[in-house]
Amino acid sequence: DAGVIQSPRHEVTEMGQEVTLRCKPISGHNSLFWYRQTMMRGLELLIYFNNNVPIDDSGMPEDRFSAKMPNASFSTLKIQPSEPRDSAVYFCASKTGGSETQYFGPGTRLLVL
Amino acid sequence: KQEVTQIPAALSVPEGENLVLNCSFTDSAIYNLQWFRQDPGKGLTSLLLIQSSQREQTSGRLNASLDKSSGRSTLYIAASQPGDSATYLCAGGGSNYKLTFGKGTLLTVNP
Repeated sequence: DAGVIQSPRHEVTEMGQEVTLRCKPISGHNSLFWYRQTMMRGLELLIYFNNNVPIDDSGMPEDRFSAKMPNASFSTLKIQPSEPRDSAVYFCASKTGGSETQYFGPGTRLLVL
Repeated sequence: KQEVTQIPAALSVPEGENLVLNCSFTDSAIYNLQWFRQDPGKGLTSLLLIQSSQREQTSGRLNASLDKSSGRSTLYIAASQPGDSATYLCAGGGSNYKLTFGKGTLLTVNP
């Protein structure tokens, strides 16, 4: 298996632009997580999907952030409009329902100028 | 609210040394405790998972312990190697799906 796939790996954009991050979970995994990692705050959960349904989005910082999971093999995290404070590494992770082990993707490093 | 702290933030040791990384958590109603490894520019890799009913888990040269009463976990690495150099993160798992992460310990093993 290729593991969790994220794209793009790096994104540089200007303040105010829309940013879309993509994730393909491991086949057969029914839970998907989006995390954000910064030096100041460490790794924080943004949103959790189970069977394509958002279960908990309490970690989403504000309305500029939105996430979707249209099917079991694809999810997006969108930031509109982006701000410099959104600069971070965004990770996607997935797991099966019968396991507590999460498998992380390589992350998307976002820089908002 | 669960808070997870890792000390030290960075550790440098010579190759071959045995070492211990520390993790503390504030909420003893922990469901599990997980240790991850993160290499520069990469995602996290799960190393060990200790259920709340367990005291320790072992995988190769790694041994993780859990003491819920004191709110502590340790990761013991035996006979360290340069390839062990990475950031090690611990995370407390709640009875739900949520993991609360520490900020990690950056380990450097010098040849």
